Amino acid sequence: GDSVTQMEGPVTLSEEAFLTINCTYTATGYPSLFWYVQYPGEGLQLLLKATKADDKGSNKGFEATYRKETTSFHLEKGSVQVSDSAVYFCALSRPGAQKLVFGQGTRLTINP
Amino acid sequence: ETGVTQTPRHLVMGMTNKKSLKCEQHLGHNAMYWYKQSAKKPLELMFVYSLEERVENNSVPSRFSPECPNSSHLFLHLHTLQPEDSALYLCASSPTSAGEELGTQYFGPGTRLTVL
Repeated sequence: GDSVTQMEGPVTLSEEAFLTINCTYTATGYPSLFWYVQYPGEGLQLLLKATKADDKGSNKGFEATYRKETTSFHLEKGSVQVSDSAVYFCALSRPGAQKLVFGQGTRLTINP
Repeated sequence: ETGVTQTPRHLVMGMTNKKSLKCEQHLGHNAMYWYKQSAKKPLELMFVYSLEERVENNSVPSRFSPECPNSSHLFLHLHTLQPEDSALYLCASSPTSAGEELGTQYFGPGTRLTVL
């Protein structure tokens, strides 16, 4: 079945460091790919998405590129801030499907 | 009010109580979802409603009973819960028609449930 695997957390970085959170997926066909973020005490918010191969999703300085050849959708940010501390979830949905398949989440802590 | 709202935000209940969680979406979506988020566990999809019909029920114990009276409202009725049911319960909604937004879910802030 479909699945999403994220790098194990927690991840701790200093402010202004470069961030990569790895995400790989297994799915038939051409799924849409998503990154969601959950700030402390809140629900999940859509951060960015990509719907076809080689698409790049971007928002708030974060980027992720849909790589079909490596079945990956790694999240990157060039310079993180303390306010980026949160849990990040990678997810996929198959075309025409309503269900999202989530990874296990990666907790990110940014120290000043 | 916009987006997806959930009430109450926090709930403490005993094992013999009956309570309900409420979710409301103001996005014009036709699908709604209940998720359970426990510490150190992946997000668990509990129920899916599409056009007010339940289309998925992921082996959830009968002490959780969903209700979707219309496309904007979703309830989760709780009775005789166990302490291990303590978790954050998240509601989400999504469109069902084709287009860029298909497959994108929008989440509420969650209800933090503690069962004593």
